[in-house]
Amino acid sequence: EDQVTQSPEALRLQEGESSSLNCSYTVSGLRGLFWYRQDPGKGPEFLFTLYSAGEEKEKERLKATLTKKESFLHITAPKPEDSATYLCAVQAPDNTDKLIFGTGTRLQVFP
Amino acid sequence: SQTIHQWPATLVQPVGSPLSLECTVEGTSNPNLYWYRQAAGRGLQLLFYSVGIGQISSEVPQNLSASRPQDRQFILSSKKLLLSDSGFYLCAWSFGLAGRWKFFGPGTRLTVL
Repeated sequence: EDQVTQSPEALRLQEGESSSLNCSYTVSGLRGLFWYRQDPGKGPEFLFTLYSAGEEKEKERLKATLTKKESFLHITAPKPEDSATYLCAVQAPDNTDKLIFGTGTRLQVFP
Repeated sequence: SQTIHQWPATLVQPVGSPLSLECTVEGTSNPNLYWYRQAAGRGLQLLFYSVGIGQISSEVPQNLSASRPQDRQFILSSKKLLLSDSGFYLCAWSFGLAGRWKFFGPGTRLTVL
């Protein structure tokens, strides 16, 4: 069964304390892996799409990497405004654009 | 630039009442459109998707239905709401080769009492 698992469920960081979020997936033939940021009560905001193992993408303090089994979202020197839930999703292996989501990692950054 | 709208933003409805949630996209043509539901502690669950006017695919059998009367309009409906229909409903759209970018609307918080 196609599945996406994110860990940890919650993460508390001090401002400036770098860390990584994990997204492991099982899907037959990865067509794309997506990272989103979601603030409470709002829709997810698109961050990155990764397509092949070894690919990396960066945006400000965020860097996403991809292997054949998992993806990491590295947060360097986080700030309180980085506090949010980070969602990972993979594109379904069928010939559609459907996304299969994990349950997310809730990140809190304290000053 | 493209924009996606959803309304209402919040809704409180009694069990057994009907439902109509609307989603519209501006700034693009022939987008793929999606309805997702997000329940507390669970990932986003795809409910319906549409690749064109009048073309609807259902992912989860339930008492909800979807329609796409216009190219950039997507509607989620129910004739009789259940308590289990409570959740955060998100509309999304994608474009490009194989729908490589997917953007979400602001969502509708539905509480069924």
